[in-house]
Amino acid sequence: DTGVSQDPRHKITKRGQNVTFRCDPISEHNRLYWYRQTLGQGPEFLTYFQNEAQLEKSRLLSDRFSAERPKGSFSTLEIQRTEQGDSAMYLCASSYLGATNEKLFFGSGTQLSVL
Amino acid sequence: AQKITQTQPGMFVQEKEAVTLDCTYDTSDPSYGLFWYKQPSSGEMIFLIYQGSYDQQNATEGRYSLNFQKARKSANLVISASQLGDSAMYFCAMREPRGKFQFGAGTQVVVTP
Repeated sequence: DTGVSQDPRHKITKRGQNVTFRCDPISEHNRLYWYRQTLGQGPEFLTYFQNEAQLEKSRLLSDRFSAERPKGSFSTLEIQRTEQGDSAMYLCASSYLGATNEKLFFGSGTQLSVL
Repeated sequence: AQKITQTQPGMFVQEKEAVTLDCTYDTSDPSYGLFWYKQPSSGEMIFLIYQGSYDQQNATEGRYSLNFQKARKSANLVISASQLGDSAMYFCAMREPRGKFQFGAGTQVVVTP
């Protein structure tokens, strides 16, 4: 078990460009979450999936953000027309629905810098 | 609406002393889970301890214990015998019945020799 893997670790982009991040959860985990975290703040919920179904998307999330989990395994998070305010750490986490004390296992994150 | 409140932005604690980190939560659901995570400066999120809403006893994991007061909707983390390696951000989180996890703003703990 290699844990939750995120790629890339760092991304620098120019304002207006599109970016895509990938997350590979722990293999037997059926739930996958995306969070955004800025310096000194707690993780902010973006969206989550159960298998391939997107169960909820944050109402605060712009339409420029979209996430998929096409086969219920890995997930991608795309940000279109990036803005400087999108600069943050994007964290992916997974969990197993059905575990007695279902908890999140986090990846190392993708640090996005929008210039 | 803010569902997890951590009122202490930062705390200093001396090595070998105990420290209590406050967390209050807001929910009308009877079934929920409460968690504490540690985030060192390296950035990874490390699970520390879990308390289920129906658990009668307070959770303990080594030097970590969770002071669960259901009527007051509080879930304070107690770290006993602090070590220098405990210096980190600490986040309280709640898992809602549908599965979404919400996090507080965190408390920065600095352990001094």
